[in-house]
Amino acid sequence: DIQMTQSPSSLSASVGDRVTITCRASHDINRDLNWYQQKPGKAPKLLIYDASNLEGGVPSRFSGSASGTVFTFTIRSVQPEDIATYYCQQYDHLPQTFGQGTKLEIK
Amino acid sequence: QVPLAQSGAEVRKPGASVTVSCKGSGYMFTGFYIHWIRLAPGRGLEWMGRINPSNGVTNYAQNFQGRVTMTRDTSISTAYMELNRLTSDDTAIYYCATSSTVMITRTWGQGTLVTVSS
Repeated sequence: DIQMTQSPSSLSASVGDRVTITCRASHDINRDLNWYQQKPGKAPKLLIYDASNLEGGVPSRFSGSASGTVFTFTIRSVQPEDIATYYCQQYDHLPQTFGQGTKLEIK
Repeated sequence: QVPLAQSGAEVRKPGASVTVSCKGSGYMFTGFYIHWIRLAPGRGLEWMGRINPSNGVTNYAQNFQGRVTMTRDTSISTAYMELNRLTSDDTAIYYCATSSTVMITRTWGQGTLVTVSS
């Protein structure tokens, strides 16, 4: 199975901060990586697909990038409504696998 | 109209089985894969497998092989996930989600809480 190592596991940011989350894949997954946002009691919401494509309706402060097997997710200016847990997911190989998640808190 | 509507919460004893349903609406049910993913306390998201509703072909994660069965009934646009020999580690929220052949899961059900407790 492809291992997705996501870091950090949690982070605390102030409104307006720039935050970055990283996922490292254990093998080449091309750019077949998604980023999801999950709020308590809600289903995951797709934010970024194919490593860097913004899903329709998602604010432009969210972005993704890739360099080899290292994938980066950025929130340009954190807003209070961004409190959530964020997951990366690879879908290049079965089984699809997720990172461990990053819990974002607002200071 | 909710695109994916899941069945309600379930409570089971260890060793029992549970079946969760996922009804699709507002789209061509046989045109999209159904994936099952769970969120267990402290364990993050875990992909369990998928079914192609057009032909019933399934792919299961190794962790669930022999314990999970995914089926569908195209006449009522509903997919099912049965999990057997439950343990407390199976306490989780179970989600269904759809994807095209590109396997990007965009649309998710609301989730079904399964609690395993003696």
